[in-house]
Amino acid sequence: SQQGEEDPQALSIQEGENATMNCSYKTSINNLQWYRQNSGRGLVHLILIRSNEREKHSGRLRVTLDTSKKSSSLLITASRAADTASYFCATDLSQGGKLIFGQGTELSVKP
Amino acid sequence: DTAVSQTPKYLVTQMGNDKSIKCEQNLGHDTMYWYKQDSKKFLKIMFSYNNKELIINETVPNRFSPKSPDKAHLNLHINSLELGDSAVYFCASSQAWGDKNIQYFGAGTRLSVL
Repeated sequence: SQQGEEDPQALSIQEGENATMNCSYKTSINNLQWYRQNSGRGLVHLILIRSNEREKHSGRLRVTLDTSKKSSSLLITASRAADTASYFCATDLSQGGKLIFGQGTELSVKP
Repeated sequence: DTAVSQTPKYLVTQMGNDKSIKCEQNLGHDTMYWYKQDSKKFLKIMFSYNNKELIINETVPNRFSPKSPDKAHLNLHINSLELGDSAVYFCASSQAWGDKNIQYFGAGTRLSVL
């Protein structure tokens, strides 16, 4: 069964607003990662958070991880039209590099 | 230079045909992967190879056969194509596992089986 579930499935905001996406998973993890996929393109790694970390920042991105609730969130601050993409969480279970992806959140940022 | 490149980008073929997708990475990574993304954008791992050795073999029909001639290449051969094989196939690579398991993806191969 699918490890990660993301919420919301779709999000539409105005430029300058913040966007928050959530991810829940089922089993213990080694780390959790977020990826972005622009339409018709491959996935691009954004940020990795280890299981013993609670929060991580990278530029306008902020990721939190709550292992007790088996959930993570990705916050994009001051969004731009160029942030329009699908965002996926992926859990690393330490099984030979296997990543299990959530179903993704489709973010649309309107100028 | 593209880090992970896969060819072809588009593949349209008839049911029952055999086709191959090629992947190459110039990042010096040890591990390479094949993923399948369906029409709902659900991405699922199919195979992984580490230094030419098969590591992950998910529940994939044996019509799909990966081949890794060296650690920079991982090809995917599909026999007797079926309608349900229509999807986007992504190749990826990573330096190592654990906290170095940051995966770099190719641009994808969109396979349409008619």
